[in-house]
Formats: sequence, structure tokens, C-alpha cells
Amino acid sequence: EIVLTQSPATLSLSPGERATLSCRASQSVGSYLAWYQQKPGHAPRLLIYDASNRATGIPARFSGSGSGTDFTLTMSSLEPEDFAVYYCQQRSNWPRTFGQGTKVEIK
Amino acid sequence: QVQLVQSGAEVRKPGASVKVSCKASGYTFSNYGITWVRQAPGQGLEWMAWISVYNGDTKYAQKLQGRVTMTTDTSTNTAYMELRSLRFDDTAVYYCARGGDSRDLDYWGQGTLVSVSS
Repeated sequence: EIVLTQSPATLSLSPGERATLSCRASQSVGSYLAWYQQKPGHAPRLLIYDASNRATGIPARFSGSGSGTDFTLTMSSLEPEDFAVYYCQQRSNWPRTFGQGTKVEIK
Repeated sequence: QVQLVQSGAEVRKPGASVKVSCKASGYTFSNYGITWVRQAPGQGLEWMAWISVYNGDTKYAQKLQGRVTMTTDTSTNTAYMELRSLRFDDTAVYYCARGGDSRDLDYWGQGTLVSVSS
């Protein structure tokens, strides 16, 4: 199965700062990589699909890039509601797999 | 609007079974697959399984193969996930989500807490 490794595990930033999250796949997933945001006590929410496409209703400060094995989620200027855990997930191969998550916390 | 509404929390003893439901509305049920994802307390997301509502095709995580069964009922637009031979480490919130084959998981249920306790 494809292993997704996210880094860093925790990112401590202040509102207004830029956040850059990484997801590396153990083998190529093409562009079949999605990013999800999860807040405590809530279900995950789809942010980015197919590596770089924002899902419906997702603000423009969220952007995704990459292909093959290396992917990045960028938040250009953190808003208070962006502090959460972020997961990447591949749908290139079965079984689908998630990364272990990156927590973005307030510094 | 698209909604996935899951059944309520369950408590089971080790060795028992649990069946969680996921009722879909606001879209054509057979046009999308359903994925099940679980999250143990304080842990990350774990992909469990996927079912095609259209033809019943299924895919399972190897570690759960043989213990989990997914079904759908197109007359009530409901998907089900049954997990058997429950263990303590099956304690988790179980989510259903729309998609998972050619589409990402764009709508999620609210989650169902399954607690395994003696």
C-alpha cells in the first residue's frame, strides 16, 4: 500500500502568517491527492482535490500543488478558523490511504 | 442539499458485532460510492473500505478484511457498515463519506462513536 508521510507533525504559527504543509508518497500517485481539514469534534472537510483544485466554498487562501510523490498545501495568510489538523489522502491505488496529519496550532 | 446522517453511538463488548448506518439525501444515491473511515481517540484518519452503490463492488483495508461488511439499500438510500469480532482497539468514531473511487470524499456524515468495553 502507498504510505503518505506528512511534515511537519506540528506547525506553530500566528494569524496572518503563511503555512506550508508537505505530503510525500512512497510511490507516484499522479495528481490523485486530496487535502482535508479537521477541527476537534467535527468530521473532516475536503479542501483540495486532484492536488491543486479547491473544493466548493474553499477560500482562495488555500492552495495545493505537486504531482507524483511530493505535494504541498499552502495557506497564504492564516485566519483564526484555519487552526486545525490537515490530512492528505491518495486515491491512486487501493487501498486508499491517509497521511498521519499535520496540526497547525496558534503560536 | 447533500446530507449523510449516521446512526447513534453504540457500546459493545469484545467479540460482539456492530452495524452502523449512513442515510444519504440530496443527491442520486447510486451515482456515488460510499467510503468508511474511522478515527481512534486522539489518532488520525484510517481508511477502512469503499462500496459502489451502483454495482455493489467493494474494496477493504487488508487489516479489516474478513471482519467488515458493507452493504447498501437503494430503496432507502442507506449504506451500512458491519464490523464483527470487535476488539478494544476498534473503539473509534466511524465516518461515512460520499465518493472514494473516481471522486474524493466531498461530503461526510457526522460520525458514530463505537465503544468496545467489557
